[in-house]
Amino acid sequence: GAVVSQHPSWVICKSGTSVKIECRSLDFQATTMFWYRQFPKQSLMLMATSNEGSKATYEQGVEKDKFLINHASLTLSTLTVTSAHPEDSSFYICSVHGGVGETQYFGPGTRLLVL
Amino acid sequence: KQEVTQIPAALSVPEGENLVLNCSFTDSAIYNLQWFRQDPGKGLTSLLLIQSSQREQTSGRLNASLDKSSGRSTLYIAASQPGDSATYLCAVKYNAGNMLTFGGGTRLMVKP
Repeated sequence: GAVVSQHPSWVICKSGTSVKIECRSLDFQATTMFWYRQFPKQSLMLMATSNEGSKATYEQGVEKDKFLINHASLTLSTLTVTSAHPEDSSFYICSVHGGVGETQYFGPGTRLLVL
Repeated sequence: KQEVTQIPAALSVPEGENLVLNCSFTDSAIYNLQWFRQDPGKGLTSLLLIQSSQREQTSGRLNASLDKSSGRSTLYIAASQPGDSATYLCAVKYNAGNMLTFGGGTRLMVKP
C-alpha cells in the first residue's frame, strides 16, 4: 500500500505563532489528500480535502483562513495553522486514498501543543 | 446526516477470548467500510477493507463482516492477545474518492 509520511511528528509552540505540517505520499501520486484532526479520547474528524493544483475544500466549522492548505504537487500537501492558540492543540493526521478498492492510507500524525 | 457509531466504547477481556466489536452506520448507501487500529499517540493502521458488494473479509485472526441492509459491520478477533490492545476504529466511505466518516472507536484492553 501507499506510504505516507508527516513532518514534524511533534511540535510545541507559543500561542500566536504559525506552524506548518507536511504530508508526503512517498510512493503514490495523490491528487487528493485529506486532513483530519483528533482531540484526546475522541475520534478523527475531517478538516479539509486537499486537491492538487486547486483550492482545498473545508468542512463546516473549519476556518479556511486559520488552517491554510497547499497541495502544490502530487506528493506533498501542507497544512499551516496560523496564529495558533491552545485550543488548536491536537493530533493532526493526513491520508491519501487510492489503490485497490480505494483503501485509505494514513500518515503517522503530528501532535501539536500550543502553550 | 451520516453517522457512524461504535459499541462498546471500551472493552476489557482476558487473553485468549474471542471478541466482537460493533459498528453501525445510518446511511446504508456506502461505497466501502474500513477497520483501523490506532495505538496510543500513533497514526492509523488499516486492518480490513470491505467493499459494498462484499459481505466479509478475513486477515489472520481478524474477520470483518458487512450487512448493508441493517447498517452494521462487526470485527471479530479470535484468540485475543495482549498485543491486540489498542483502539479500533471503523470508517465508512460513501462515495468513491471521498473522505471517511469515522466512528468513535472501541478501546480494547486484553489482559495477560
